[in-house]
Amino acid sequence: DQQVKQNSPSLSVQEGRISILNCDYTNSMFDYFLWYKKYPAEGPTFLISISSIKDKNEDGRFTVFLNKSAKHLSLHIVPSQPGDSAVYFCAASVALRGEKLTFGTGTRLTIIP
Amino acid sequence: NAGVMQNPRHLVRRRGQEARLRCSPMKGHSHVYWYRQLPEEGLKFMVYLQKENIIDESGMPKERFSAEFPKEGPSILRIQQVVRGDSAAYFCASSTYPAEAGNTIYFGEGSWLTVV
Repeated sequence: DQQVKQNSPSLSVQEGRISILNCDYTNSMFDYFLWYKKYPAEGPTFLISISSIKDKNEDGRFTVFLNKSAKHLSLHIVPSQPGDSAVYFCAASVALRGEKLTFGTGTRLTIIP
Repeated sequence: NAGVMQNPRHLVRRRGQEARLRCSPMKGHSHVYWYRQLPEEGLKFMVYLQKENIIDESGMPKERFSAEFPKEGPSILRIQQVVRGDSAAYFCASSTYPAEAGNTIYFGEGSWLTVV
């Protein structure tokens, strides 16, 4: 039962353009959502998060949007840079259970110079 | 990722052998989490430990897997009688306090177990 889904295994974007990564979830108990970035042979690194009481959170080039009614969130990266090439994981948790994150399967983002 | 140390980074075991994966949390962190990533899948929660206590092991397979976090020394994830399906990347993470929704968790670089 995949409660967090990233339906696009890979995405290629031209440098300087916007990268949009999508994530859907099925468990309505989730109320905190996170994006992690992962390079090969390394552990995930926290990127940005959003609480269910918000619909948008912005941090520099990264913006996460949450649509609770659609159970959908997206990560926007603009402008995209070559160093953004990595696997991006969407994750979700229930409040006060931050230690138990449920991850999606990841989207491999490739930025084309 | 800085600070959470995992070893070995790569481990090869024959079927039926034991695998021991170690995790030293970041300095000052007393909460440790283990996650497993099977090929082509996302990370899946296995266990959450504090010093000398298992807090939540709901993600651990019922048999052959155990974890500990002693008062002194690293956290150990132990897999007995390994099978090919145990081949995966095992990630340890740590936090100062019980993690508040994940953004205070720091992951290590992972241990890749291959069972032949």
